[in-house]
Amino acid sequence: AQSVTQPDIHITVSEGASLELRCNYSYGATPYLFWYVQSPGQGLQLLLKYFSGDTLVQGIKGFEAEFKRSQSSFNLRKPSVHWSDAAEYFCAVGGRIGNEKLTFGTGTRLTIIP
Amino acid sequence: GAVVSQHPSRVICKSGTSVKIECRSLDFQATTMFWYRQFPKQSLMLMATSNEGSKATYEQGVEKDKFLINHASLTLSTLTVTSAHPEDSSFYICSAQDRASSGANVLTFGAGSRLTVL
Repeated sequence: AQSVTQPDIHITVSEGASLELRCNYSYGATPYLFWYVQSPGQGLQLLLKYFSGDTLVQGIKGFEAEFKRSQSSFNLRKPSVHWSDAAEYFCAVGGRIGNEKLTFGTGTRLTIIP
Repeated sequence: GAVVSQHPSRVICKSGTSVKIECRSLDFQATTMFWYRQFPKQSLMLMATSNEGSKATYEQGVEKDKFLINHASLTLSTLTVTSAHPEDSSFYICSAQDRASSGANVLTFGAGSRLTVL
Protein backbone atom coordinates (compact mmCIF):
# COMPACT_ATOMS: atom_id res chain seq x y z
CA ALA A 1 0.00 0.00 0.00
CA GLN A 2 1.18 3.49 -0.74
CA SER A 3 1.64 6.06 2.00
CA VAL A 4 3.00 9.52 2.53
CA THR A 5 4.55 10.99 5.65
CA GLN A 6 4.91 14.68 6.29
CA PRO A 7 6.78 14.83 9.59
CA ASP A 8 6.21 18.51 10.25
CA ILE A 9 2.67 19.44 11.24
CA HIS A 10 3.38 23.15 11.51
CA ILE A 11 6.30 25.28 10.41
CA THR A 12 6.85 28.96 11.04
CA VAL A 13 9.35 30.96 9.03
CA SER A 14 10.13 34.61 8.64
CA GLU A 15 9.25 36.37 5.43
CA GLY A 16 12.24 36.25 3.12
CA ALA A 17 13.72 33.18 4.76
CA SER A 18 14.22 29.90 2.97
CA LEU A 19 11.81 27.01 3.36
CA GLU A 20 11.98 23.26 3.19
CA LEU A 21 8.97 21.02 3.76
CA ARG A 22 9.68 17.35 4.16
CA CYS A 23 7.89 14.47 2.51
CA ASN A 24 8.65 10.77 2.61
CA TYR A 25 6.72 8.20 0.67
CA SER A 26 6.24 4.49 0.51
CA TYR A 27 5.38 2.90 -2.80
CA GLY A 28 6.11 -0.42 -4.43
CA ALA A 29 7.40 1.04 -7.66
CA THR A 30 8.54 4.36 -9.00
CA PRO A 31 5.79 6.75 -8.02
CA TYR A 32 4.27 9.89 -9.32
CA LEU A 33 4.84 12.58 -6.69
CA PHE A 34 3.01 15.82 -6.16
CA TRP A 35 2.93 18.87 -3.96
CA TYR A 36 -0.34 20.74 -3.54
CA VAL A 37 -1.14 23.92 -1.66
CA GLN A 38 -4.43 24.69 0.02
CA SER A 39 -5.51 28.09 1.25
CA PRO A 40 -8.11 28.18 4.04
CA GLY A 41 -11.51 26.97 2.86
CA GLN A 42 -10.24 26.34 -0.63
CA GLY A 43 -9.49 23.39 -2.84
CA LEU A 44 -6.04 22.24 -3.79
CA GLN A 45 -3.71 23.84 -6.26
CA LEU A 46 -0.94 21.84 -7.87
CA LEU A 47 2.49 23.33 -7.17
CA LEU A 48 4.60 20.78 -8.99
CA LYS A 49 4.88 17.13 -9.90
CA TYR A 50 7.51 14.53 -10.60
CA PHE A 51 6.93 11.75 -13.08
CA SER A 52 10.38 10.94 -14.42
CA GLY A 53 13.60 12.50 -15.67
CA ASP A 54 15.34 15.33 -13.86
CA THR A 55 14.94 14.74 -10.16
CA LEU A 56 14.82 18.46 -9.42
CA VAL A 57 11.49 19.82 -10.55
CA GLN A 58 10.41 23.39 -10.76
CA GLY A 59 6.91 24.47 -9.94
CA ILE A 60 4.79 27.55 -9.72
CA LYS A 61 5.29 30.41 -7.31
CA GLY A 62 9.03 29.82 -7.11
CA PHE A 63 8.79 26.38 -5.51
CA GLU A 64 10.96 23.43 -6.36
CA ALA A 65 11.22 19.86 -5.12
CA GLU A 66 13.84 17.17 -5.34
CA PHE A 67 13.11 13.48 -5.75
CA LYS A 68 15.60 11.30 -3.91
CA ARG A 69 14.93 7.67 -4.56
CA SER A 70 17.49 6.43 -2.03
CA GLN A 71 15.75 8.36 0.72
CA SER A 72 12.19 7.91 -0.56
CA SER A 73 11.83 11.64 -0.22
CA PHE A 74 10.36 14.50 -2.20
CA ASN A 75 11.05 17.64 -0.20
CA LEU A 76 9.64 20.99 -1.22
CA ARG A 77 11.81 24.08 -1.14
CA LYS A 78 11.62 27.78 -1.73
CA PRO A 79 14.60 30.11 -1.37
CA SER A 80 12.64 33.10 -0.08
CA VAL A 81 9.10 32.89 1.22
CA HIS A 82 6.46 35.56 0.87
CA TRP A 83 3.60 36.28 3.25
CA SER A 84 1.21 34.96 0.61
CA ASP A 85 2.82 31.52 0.91
CA ALA A 86 1.09 30.95 4.23
CA ALA A 87 -1.14 27.94 3.63
CA GLU A 88 -1.40 24.20 4.08
CA TYR A 89 0.89 22.08 1.94
CA PHE A 90 0.19 18.51 1.00
CA CYS A 91 2.51 15.96 -0.50
CA ALA A 92 0.86 13.16 -2.47
CA VAL A 93 1.87 9.96 -4.18
CA GLY A 94 0.11 8.25 -7.01
CA GLY A 95 0.60 5.35 -9.28
CA ARG A 96 1.60 5.31 -12.87
CA ILE A 97 -0.60 4.76 -15.87
CA GLY A 98 -3.94 3.32 -14.97
CA ASN A 99 -3.78 4.16 -11.29
CA GLU A 100 -4.64 7.76 -10.72
CA LYS A 101 -5.62 7.37 -7.09
CA LEU A 102 -3.66 9.78 -4.94
CA THR A 103 -2.65 9.24 -1.35
CA PHE A 104 -2.05 12.41 0.58
CA GLY A 105 0.16 13.18 3.52
CA THR A 106 -1.31 14.80 6.60
CA GLY A 107 -0.15 18.21 5.50
CA THR A 108 2.16 20.88 6.84
CA ARG A 109 0.76 24.20 7.86
CA LEU A 110 3.06 27.07 7.00
CA THR A 111 2.93 30.30 8.96
CA ILE A 112 4.89 33.33 7.81
CA ILE A 113 5.94 35.96 10.31
CA PRO A 114 6.84 39.48 9.20
CA GLY B 1 -6.12 25.50 -17.93
CA ALA B 2 -8.46 22.84 -16.67
CA VAL B 3 -11.12 24.06 -14.27
CA VAL B 4 -13.35 22.08 -11.94
CA SER B 5 -16.38 23.79 -10.49
CA GLN B 6 -17.90 22.51 -7.28
CA HIS B 7 -21.30 23.61 -6.04
CA PRO B 8 -22.43 24.59 -3.51
CA SER B 9 -19.38 25.94 -1.77
CA ARG B 10 -21.21 25.99 1.54
CA VAL B 11 -24.37 24.26 2.65
CA ILE B 12 -26.14 24.00 5.97
CA CYS B 13 -28.84 21.43 6.42
CA LYS B 14 -30.93 19.86 9.12
CA SER B 15 -30.21 16.41 10.43
CA GLY B 16 -32.03 13.76 8.46
CA THR B 17 -32.14 15.64 5.17
CA SER B 18 -30.14 14.88 2.04
CA VAL B 19 -27.66 17.15 0.37
CA LYS B 20 -26.33 17.00 -3.17
CA ILE B 21 -22.94 18.35 -4.16
CA GLU B 22 -22.04 18.81 -7.81
CA CYS B 23 -18.64 18.57 -9.41
CA ARG B 24 -18.29 19.80 -12.99
CA SER B 25 -15.34 19.86 -15.32
CA LEU B 26 -15.82 23.10 -17.20
CA ASP B 27 -13.47 22.86 -20.13
CA PHE B 28 -12.58 19.21 -20.40
CA GLN B 29 -14.13 15.78 -20.27
CA ALA B 30 -13.42 13.79 -17.16
CA THR B 31 -13.41 10.03 -17.42
CA THR B 32 -12.70 9.75 -13.75
CA MET B 33 -13.61 11.91 -10.80
CA PHE B 34 -12.57 11.43 -7.22
CA TRP B 35 -14.38 12.46 -4.06
CA TYR B 36 -12.43 13.32 -0.94
CA ARG B 37 -13.43 14.23 2.57
CA GLN B 38 -11.31 16.47 4.72
CA PHE B 39 -11.75 16.85 8.44
CA PRO B 40 -10.56 20.04 10.13
CA LYS B 41 -6.80 20.35 10.04
CA GLN B 42 -6.43 16.90 8.55
CA SER B 43 -5.54 15.43 5.23
CA LEU B 44 -7.79 14.43 2.38
CA MET B 45 -9.29 10.99 2.64
CA LEU B 46 -10.38 9.41 -0.60
CA MET B 47 -14.01 8.37 -0.38
CA ALA B 48 -14.69 7.00 -3.83
CA THR B 49 -13.68 6.90 -7.44
CA SER B 50 -16.36 7.82 -9.92
CA ASN B 51 -16.20 6.62 -13.51
CA GLU B 52 -18.55 7.93 -16.15
CA GLY B 53 -21.34 5.51 -16.90
CA SER B 54 -20.48 2.97 -14.23
CA LYS B 55 -20.84 2.47 -10.53
CA ALA B 56 -18.50 4.27 -8.22
CA THR B 57 -15.77 2.41 -6.41
CA TYR B 58 -15.84 3.15 -2.72
CA GLU B 59 -12.93 3.04 -0.33
CA GLN B 60 -13.02 0.74 2.61
CA GLY B 61 -15.17 2.08 5.41
CA VAL B 62 -17.19 4.45 3.25
CA GLU B 63 -20.91 3.69 3.28
CA LYS B 64 -22.23 3.37 -0.25
CA ASP B 65 -25.82 3.96 0.78
CA LYS B 66 -24.84 7.00 2.76
CA PHE B 67 -22.74 8.69 0.12
CA LEU B 68 -24.39 8.23 -3.24
CA ILE B 69 -22.20 9.04 -6.22
CA ASN B 70 -23.46 9.48 -9.73
CA HIS B 71 -21.29 10.20 -12.76
CA ALA B 72 -23.90 10.56 -15.46
CA SER B 73 -21.82 12.46 -17.98
CA LEU B 74 -18.22 13.19 -18.82
CA THR B 75 -18.46 16.57 -17.18
CA LEU B 76 -20.57 15.99 -14.10
CA SER B 77 -20.37 13.89 -10.98
CA THR B 78 -22.60 14.32 -7.96
CA LEU B 79 -22.22 13.29 -4.35
CA THR B 80 -25.41 12.99 -2.32
CA VAL B 81 -25.12 12.74 1.43
CA THR B 82 -28.28 10.94 2.43
CA SER B 83 -29.97 11.31 5.79
CA ALA B 84 -27.21 13.61 6.92
CA HIS B 85 -26.15 13.70 10.54
CA PRO B 86 -23.86 16.11 12.39
CA GLU B 87 -20.94 13.69 12.07
CA ASP B 88 -21.20 14.07 8.29
CA SER B 89 -20.23 17.71 8.64
CA SER B 90 -17.00 18.09 6.74
CA PHE B 91 -15.25 19.62 3.77
CA TYR B 92 -15.85 17.61 0.62
CA ILE B 93 -13.54 18.05 -2.35
CA CYS B 94 -13.78 16.57 -5.79
CA SER B 95 -11.09 16.17 -8.41
CA ALA B 96 -11.22 15.23 -12.04
CA GLN B 97 -8.84 13.77 -14.57
CA ASP B 98 -8.84 15.13 -18.09
CA ARG B 99 -9.88 12.37 -20.49
CA ALA B 100 -7.43 13.69 -23.04
CA SER B 101 -4.53 13.17 -20.67
CA SER B 102 -5.43 9.78 -19.27
CA GLY B 103 -2.37 8.16 -17.88
CA ALA B 104 -0.70 11.45 -17.09
CA ASN B 105 -2.16 11.31 -13.61
CA VAL B 106 -2.81 15.03 -13.35
CA LEU B 107 -5.90 15.92 -11.41
CA THR B 108 -7.71 19.20 -11.15
CA PHE B 109 -9.41 19.90 -7.85
CA GLY B 110 -12.59 21.75 -7.13
CA ALA B 111 -12.68 24.45 -4.49
CA GLY B 112 -14.53 22.21 -2.07
CA SER B 113 -17.92 22.18 -0.39
CA ARG B 114 -18.32 22.86 3.31
CA LEU B 115 -21.22 20.84 4.70
CA THR B 116 -22.62 21.65 8.11
CA VAL B 117 -25.36 19.44 9.50
CA LEU B 118 -27.33 20.89 12.39
